[in-house]
Amino acid sequence: KAGVTQTPRYLIKTRGQQVTLSCSPISGHRSVSWYQQTPGQGLQFLFEYFSETQRNKGNFPGRFSGRQFSNSRSEMNVSTLELGDSALYLCASSPYRGSYNEQFFGPGTRLTVL
Amino acid sequence: DQQVKQNSPSLSVQEGRISILNCDYTNSMFDYFLWYKKYPAEGPTFLISISSIKDKNEDGRFTVFLNKSAKHLSLHIVPSQPGDSAVYFCAASATGANNLFFGTGTRLTVIP
Repeated sequence: KAGVTQTPRYLIKTRGQQVTLSCSPISGHRSVSWYQQTPGQGLQFLFEYFSETQRNKGNFPGRFSGRQFSNSRSEMNVSTLELGDSALYLCASSPYRGSYNEQFFGPGTRLTVL
Repeated sequence: DQQVKQNSPSLSVQEGRISILNCDYTNSMFDYFLWYKKYPAEGPTFLISISSIKDKNEDGRFTVFLNKSAKHLSLHIVPSQPGDSAVYFCAASATGANNLFFGTGTRLTVIP
C-alpha cells in the first residue's frame, strides 16, 4: 500500500498570504489528522477529520482550517500567514477513530513564512 | 502545558549496547502510548505501542515498558544499531479521542 502523501513538500510564502496544503491518506483510511511541528513546541495537534467532518480540534487560532473530501483526502488552509506559522506540517491517517489506533504520518510540508 | 515529557533531549550509545529512552506523562486519562522514530525530512514512523492494560510489549529489538502508577514509560532497544540513530518521540492518547499528545523528542545517536 502506498503511504500517506503530502503536497507540496516545500512552500515559501510571505506574511499576510494564505496557503493550502494537501494530504492523501493511506487507501482505506478514513481518519486524517494534522499536526504542526516547530523546534520550540514539538508536534502539536491541529485537527482531525473523519467522514468529511471535523471531529476534534487543537488549540490553534481560527486562521487554521481544514476540510476532508468524500475520498478521505484532506486539505488544510492557513490564512493571513504570520512568521510564527513557519513549521513542518504533518498529516497522519488511521483506518478508524477511537482508542488503540496507530496513526501513520506523511513526510510533511515545510512551510517558510518570510 | 506539556502533558507528555521527554526530559532527555539526547542520548548516545555504543553499537550493540542497550538504548533506554524515557517518557513521563501527567494526564491520567491517557490509556494508549506509542513510540515514533523520525529521520530528518521525513514524517514520524510508528515503532511500537502499548495499551494501559499491559505493562510490557515487545517487537523484535524494541520493548516498551509502562508503569502506570509512576506515569512513566520507557523504550528499550537491544542491541542498538547505527541505523537506529534518529529522533524518538513518545506519544499518548485517551479513549474516545483520536489526537496524539507528543513529547519533545530524544535524539538517539548510536556510535559504531
